[in-house]
Amino acid sequence: GAGVSQSPSNKVTEKGKDVELRCDPISGHTALYWYRQSLGQGLEFLIYFQGNSAPDKSGLPSDRFSAERTGGSVSTLTIQRTQQEDSAVYLCASKLGGISSYNEQFFGPGTRLTVL
Amino acid sequence: AQTVTQSQPEMSVQEAETVTLSCTYDTSESDYYLFWYKQPPSRQMILVIRQEAYKQQNATENRFSVNFQKAAKSFSLKISDSQLGDAAMYFCAYTSAAGNKLTFGGGTRVLVKP
Repeated sequence: GAGVSQSPSNKVTEKGKDVELRCDPISGHTALYWYRQSLGQGLEFLIYFQGNSAPDKSGLPSDRFSAERTGGSVSTLTIQRTQQEDSAVYLCASKLGGISSYNEQFFGPGTRLTVL
Repeated sequence: AQTVTQSQPEMSVQEAETVTLSCTYDTSESDYYLFWYKQPPSRQMILVIRQEAYKQQNATENRFSVNFQKAAKSFSLKISDSQLGDAAMYFCAYTSAAGNKLTFGGGTRVLVKP
C-alpha cells in the first residue's frame, strides 16, 4: 500500500511569510508525528497526534508553530512569520496506534523548507 | 529526559567488509524500544532493525545485527558484507513503551569504498 506522503517536497519562502506543510499518513494509522531535521539541532520531535486525544505539543519550538489533524487523517503543520532558523527538513511519520508489538514509525520523504 | 548519543560522526568501510556503529542511551525506564534508521540522500528514513528492551536476544535482519547491552545502555549496529547501497546516514533512536515520540542520536555517516 501507499506510504506516508508529504507535500510540497521543497518550499522556498521569504522571511515573515506563513507556510503550510502537509502530511498524508498511511491509511489506518492513528498516530501521527512531526519531526524537524536541521544541521544545528539534528532530528527533533515537534508534535504527536493519537486518535481523538489532545495532541502532545511539547516539542513545538515557539508559538509560531502549530499543527492540526483533520478527520484523524491528514495533518497540516503551519509556521507563521517564518524566520531563517526555521529552515530545515520537516519529516512526518505515522504508526499503528494502541499497543503495537513493533512500535514502528513509518516516515514520509520530508519537506525541505528554505527561508530566505 | 531520554538522550541518545552516537559518538562516531562518520565511518568508512571497504565493500564486503564489516562496520560497527556505536550508540548509547540514557533512560530511567525499563520497557522501551530501540531502532536503527537509515537515511539515504533521498531523505527517506528507512527502518533497518528494531530491538525490544525486554528481549535478551539480539535482533538480526539479514546483514544487519545489533549488540544490545541493557545494563550498559548500549545498542550498536553491525553491518556485515557491506554493500555500496549501505552508504547513508544511520540514526539510532529510542522510544518508550508508550511510543509517544522517537528520540534520535546525532547520526553516523557511513561511507562504503568500492
